[in-house]
Amino acid sequence: GNSVTQMEGPVTLSEEAFLTINCTYTATGYPSLFWYVQYPGEGLQLLLKATKADDKGSNKGFEATYRKETTSFHLEKGSVQVSDSAVYFCALSGGSQGNLIFGKGTKLSVKP
Amino acid sequence: DAGVIQSPRHEVTEMGQEVTLRCKPISGHDYLFWYRQTMMRGLELLIYFNNNVPIDDSGMPEDRFSAKMPNASFSTLKIQPSEPRDSAVYFCASSSGQGVSNQPQHFGDGTRLSIL
Repeated sequence: GNSVTQMEGPVTLSEEAFLTINCTYTATGYPSLFWYVQYPGEGLQLLLKATKADDKGSNKGFEATYRKETTSFHLEKGSVQVSDSAVYFCALSGGSQGNLIFGKGTKLSVKP
Repeated sequence: DAGVIQSPRHEVTEMGQEVTLRCKPISGHDYLFWYRQTMMRGLELLIYFNNNVPIDDSGMPEDRFSAKMPNASFSTLKIQPSEPRDSAVYFCASSSGQGVSNQPQHFGDGTRLSIL
């Protein structure tokens, strides 16, 4: 079945550092891919998405490109801020059923 | 537009008591999902509905858990009897089925449940 693997956390960076959080997937068909962010005490919020191969999703300085050849959807940001400290989840659509398959989440801490 | 609304935000109760969590999805959304989040197990899908009908409840941990969706604007997750290991944050999410595979889920702020 479909599955998602994210890099283990936690990740600790200094402000203005470059961020990469790796995400790879296995899937049949052509799933859509998502990154969600969860701030402390809140629910998950959609950060960005890509619906087909070579699509690049972007939002708030974050980017991820749907790479079918490497089955990856890595999250990147050129310069992180303290306010980016959160847990990040990679997810893919489960096919025709409408559910999403989530990775285990990666906690990011950004120090000033 | 209002987002997904969950109540209560916090619930503390004693072992053995019945617990009812409530969710109002975004108007017009026809999928509704219940998740549980713990430090040990991460985010787990418990059950989801399409057009008020349960589609997959394989994530429901035990018969003590039940979920209903009597209409398009309301769902409940019930635990009876509750146990300390049920302590977690429970999230409700909804999405639109139009173009099913590329529609994101919208999450509520969750209910933090503590069973003493």
